[in-house]
Amino acid sequence: DQQVKQNSPSLSVQEGRISILNCDYTNSMFDYFLWYKKYPAEGPTFLISISSIKDKNEDGRFTVFLNKSAKHLSLHIVPSQPGDSAVYFCAASEGYNTDKLIFGTGTRLQVFP
Amino acid sequence: KAGVTQTPRYLIKTRGQQVTLSCSPISGHRSVSWYQQTPGQGLQFLFEYFSETQRNKGNFPGRFSGRQFSNSRSEMNVSTLELGDSALYLCASSLAKLMVLSRDEQFFGPGTRLTVL
Repeated sequence: DQQVKQNSPSLSVQEGRISILNCDYTNSMFDYFLWYKKYPAEGPTFLISISSIKDKNEDGRFTVFLNKSAKHLSLHIVPSQPGDSAVYFCAASEGYNTDKLIFGTGTRLQVFP
Repeated sequence: KAGVTQTPRYLIKTRGQQVTLSCSPISGHRSVSWYQQTPGQGLQFLFEYFSETQRNKGNFPGRFSGRQFSNSRSEMNVSTLELGDSALYLCASSLAKLMVLSRDEQFFGPGTRLTVL
């Protein structure tokens, strides 16, 4: 049972434009959501997160939106840069006394010049 | 400040063997979690250790086990290896402060690539 889903395995965006990566979840008990970026042969790197009491969090070029009623979150990257090309994972957490993360299957973002 | 280190980086084993992977967390971090990454299943949670105690466990068979030492270093063991155990095994550490509305950032190591032949 895949509790966190990223339905788009890949996304191609031109440099300077907006990249929108989507994630859906099924477990209404998730209370914290995160986005990670991963390059080949490296571990995931934390990008941005959002608590379930918020609907938006922004950090530089990265903004995460959370729609709890739709159980949907998205990551916006504006403007996209070639260095953003990587695999992006969304992850969810339930409860504050654990580091356990449930990951989506990832979306490969390619930013071309 | 040194990051999370994992040893070995690459490992080749044959079916039926056992393997032990090691993870050294960032200094001062008390929580260590393990994940398995495969092309078909993505990143799946294996287990989490905090203060030498297993705090959480994923849906993996009993062949997968782990432990944490008093210095927070952690090992995971897989016995009776199967072909399907071929994967990238990732370790992550965090300070593990208890915060209701946020989480301590988890830092991932580069992983151990296990190939089972």
